Amino acid sequence: NAGVTQTPKFQVLKTGQSMTLQCAQDMNHEYMSWYRQDPGMGLRLIHYSVGAGITDQGEVPNGYNVSRSTTEDFPLRLLSAAPSQTSVYFCASSPGGGRLTQGQYFGPGTRLTVT
Amino acid sequence: AQSVTQLDSQVPVFEEAPVELRCNYSSSVSVYLFWYVQYPNQGLQLLLKYLSGSTLVESINGFEAEFNKSQTSFHLRKPSVHISDTAEYFCAVSEGAGNMLTFGGGTRLMVKP
Repeated sequence: NAGVTQTPKFQVLKTGQSMTLQCAQDMNHEYMSWYRQDPGMGLRLIHYSVGAGITDQGEVPNGYNVSRSTTEDFPLRLLSAAPSQTSVYFCASSPGGGRLTQGQYFGPGTRLTVT
Repeated sequence: AQSVTQLDSQVPVFEEAPVELRCNYSSSVSVYLFWYVQYPNQGLQLLLKYLSGSTLVESINGFEAEFNKSQTSFHLRKPSVHISDTAEYFCAVSEGAGNMLTFGGGTRLMVKP
């Protein structure tokens, strides 16, 4: 299994541009999520999904959109990039739907810089 | 709303010394507790978890954590650290029936020879 994969690894955007961060998992996990990691703040949940066709907001959803058309894929869209969205983005998945008792499997991350 | 506080942002320690990384949480309901480790330029990996039962949980590489309900803490300990333990450690909490994980700010463990 490849586990959780993310593309791209690095991205530089100009303010106002849009882009999609890709995330895929091959473990048939129902639960998928997106976090952003900023120094000293740990990871903060952006959006999550408990199954195909179901998404919900996390702690910091503003400026981001998600969709879940398949079990495998969970893309994150930045609608109009702002410098405050400069961060490292992690995608994660977990078996068992919404109950996180088995922990989460994390991808390698995407480092995004907005100038 | 739940919150997680990791009291130390950095912990320097010499190799083979013991270490404790502190984690406190606030929640009014029963919780699941986790420790994750992040090695440089990598994603997070689950280190250990507390769901129920024995309050002392162990990982395969010698770390242990103890759930203390009265003090709302879940401190991580290792009796003798190695250089390879150098990493950032994150404490996280999920309210039992919930589907969101809240992370602490992280503690950078720096093991010196």
